[in-house]
Amino acid sequence: GAGVSQSPSNKVTEKGKDVELRCDPISGHTALYWYRQSLGQGLEFLIYFQGNSAPDKSGLPSDRFSAERTGGSVSTLTIQRTQQEDSAVYLCASSSPLASGEQYFGPGTRLTVT
Amino acid sequence: KQEVTQIPAALSVPEGENLVLNCSFTDSAIYNLQWFRQDPGKGLTSLLLIQSSQREQTSGRLNASLDKSSGRSTLYIAASQPGDSATYLCAVNGDYKLSFGAGTTVTVRA
Repeated sequence: GAGVSQSPSNKVTEKGKDVELRCDPISGHTALYWYRQSLGQGLEFLIYFQGNSAPDKSGLPSDRFSAERTGGSVSTLTIQRTQQEDSAVYLCASSSPLASGEQYFGPGTRLTVT
Repeated sequence: KQEVTQIPAALSVPEGENLVLNCSFTDSAIYNLQWFRQDPGKGLTSLLLIQSSQREQTSGRLNASLDKSSGRSTLYIAASQPGDSATYLCAVNGDYKLSFGAGTTVTVRA
């Protein structure tokens, strides 16, 4: 079946602009995660959604970052007033409690802030 | 906070040699541990998932062990091939979010 998809695959934006990154999880997966992979920080957790519960936003680096998940499926990560340090690959993953919590990752969105 | 360390950072071996990749973590209260493969410019491919109650997991030429009490996992790749060249990441799940090591970059020389 279809895996996790993300769009766009690449995004170049000017400093100060807002960007939206999209994630479409595997159908039926109730949990959705966002991670960020950057040269200096490695792979780090950003935010977690589980069903209709309040999301765990503990990994978001600043209040410029926000995310929502509509209808328990597609998620959008929004970065406002982008800074050069936001340049990274943003990875989305999903999982199902029926699959022992194994997380499946999308191909990522490479964000470059100029 | 969970700290995950992978040793070595890089490894170069001739084709056919067995690979041993190490992962250590500081908090033994884990739910599961995943090994991933990442090719340059690509996302993460899950290789093996070991539940906290398991000691090892096998898939083809790959075998991963878990010693939760000592905070260690090892990934073994038998009879390496050039196609195994990639970065291998260990990730520990303490609740639901993954804590990642920095990875081991493997080069298998033909």
